[in-house]
Amino acid sequence: KAGVTQTPRYLIKTRGQQVTLSCSPISGHRSVSWYQQTPGQGLQFLFEYFSETQRNKGNFPGRFSGRQFSNSRSEMNVSTLELGDSALYLCASSSTDNRSGNTIYFGEGSWLTVV
Amino acid sequence: AQSVSQHNHHVILSEAASLELGCNYSYGGTVNLFWYVQYPGQHLQLLLKYFSGDPLVKGIKGFEAEFIKSKFSFNLRKPSVQWSDTAEYFCAVNSRWSSASKIIFGSGTRLSIRP
Repeated sequence: KAGVTQTPRYLIKTRGQQVTLSCSPISGHRSVSWYQQTPGQGLQFLFEYFSETQRNKGNFPGRFSGRQFSNSRSEMNVSTLELGDSALYLCASSSTDNRSGNTIYFGEGSWLTVV
Repeated sequence: AQSVSQHNHHVILSEAASLELGCNYSYGGTVNLFWYVQYPGQHLQLLLKYFSGDPLVKGIKGFEAEFIKSKFSFNLRKPSVQWSDTAEYFCAVNSRWSSASKIIFGSGTRLSIRP
């Protein structure tokens, strides 16, 4: 079955703008989580959605937000972009029961460059 | 707070050499431990994981890791590396009582294999 799909793969934005990234999880997966990957900070957990509800949130400012739709697809939004938001944004999905030991599956990511 | 330390930022080996990548975590409760790999241009994928039972875990592509609870360590090993093992390796942990998606990653170790 198809893996986690993220769009767009690459984008360039200007400081102050906002951006929306999209993620389609593996069919049947109801949990979607987002991570930010940068050379300096590594992989950092942004937030997780399960059945359209945010279940967990990392330590990111309120400019970072997300949502999940009834079909489990998710979007994340970053408003008032800063240069430091340049990163690879990874989406991951996991199976329905979302127990802690379940494997999560990552998409290829969306490369965001802020200029 | 949970944290994961990977001691080696960049490791360079020749083909057929043995590999050991260090990983230590900081967390007071029961944890699940993971190693993820990111091959150049590819998405992050699970190499192996430990939940309970035998502390020696075998993963894909000949990798294994040993959980030493007293040392809070989960080192990754491979007896003989190949050029195709060139990738970035991430150690990760989550709480046994958290959701699958809320994972704390180490900063990663870049492995370069000389042919």
